[in-house]
Amino acid sequence: QKEVEQNSGPLSVPEGAIASLNCTYSDRGSQSFFWYRQYSGKSPELIMSIYSNGDKEDGRFTAQLNKASQYVSLLIRDSQPSDSATYLCAGSNDYKLSFGAGTTVTVRA
Amino acid sequence: DAGVIQSPRHEVTEMGQEVTLRCKPISGHDYLFWYRQTMMRGLELLIYFNNNVPIDDSGMPEDRFSAKMPNASFSTLKIQPSEPRDSAVYFCASSLAGEKNIQYFGAGTRLSVL
Repeated sequence: QKEVEQNSGPLSVPEGAIASLNCTYSDRGSQSFFWYRQYSGKSPELIMSIYSNGDKEDGRFTAQLNKASQYVSLLIRDSQPSDSATYLCAGSNDYKLSFGAGTTVTVRA
Repeated sequence: DAGVIQSPRHEVTEMGQEVTLRCKPISGHDYLFWYRQTMMRGLELLIYFNNNVPIDDSGMPEDRFSAKMPNASFSTLKIQPSEPRDSAVYFCASSLAGEKNIQYFGAGTRLSVL
């Protein structure tokens, strides 16, 4: 079992809708969590980081962290075709990152 | 800032050959990471360095893999001898202590071993 599990997807949403991505982790020592976006054939790009329980908003993106439930999520509001990508969830309790398998999101125009 | 620079971008080689991948981290960053990404296994950490010193190489799959960081601005990942199952995209990333482990990835090297 991977340390970080993501809902497998793929996820298809219409343009303008909310895309919801979920992630659970097994290492209770994990303190930092990240969402990376990876376009096909490209490298992972950091879009959100979250370190404490609650919500963190950045533009159309909202990350949520619940350490008691060992759960991290990412909401993408007003989804755009340019949001079509694979989203990787990662957790860390030191300087190592453990990545989930990724969720592929397709935004239909 | 030029970001993390990797070379070559693509490498095609034959089984049994030696392969060397190169990475230049972001200037001033003191952590460097090597990852491998495949469809089957996703993104896996192979090894990481702090201040040029290898800290954790538990992800290195076999003795055929080795990594060095002779100075703060250069690292290599070597596979000798290469095998078809080594075909993957290899990423290098760097981070700065105190930036809460935000890692910046290079463009990657796509390796094909025939």
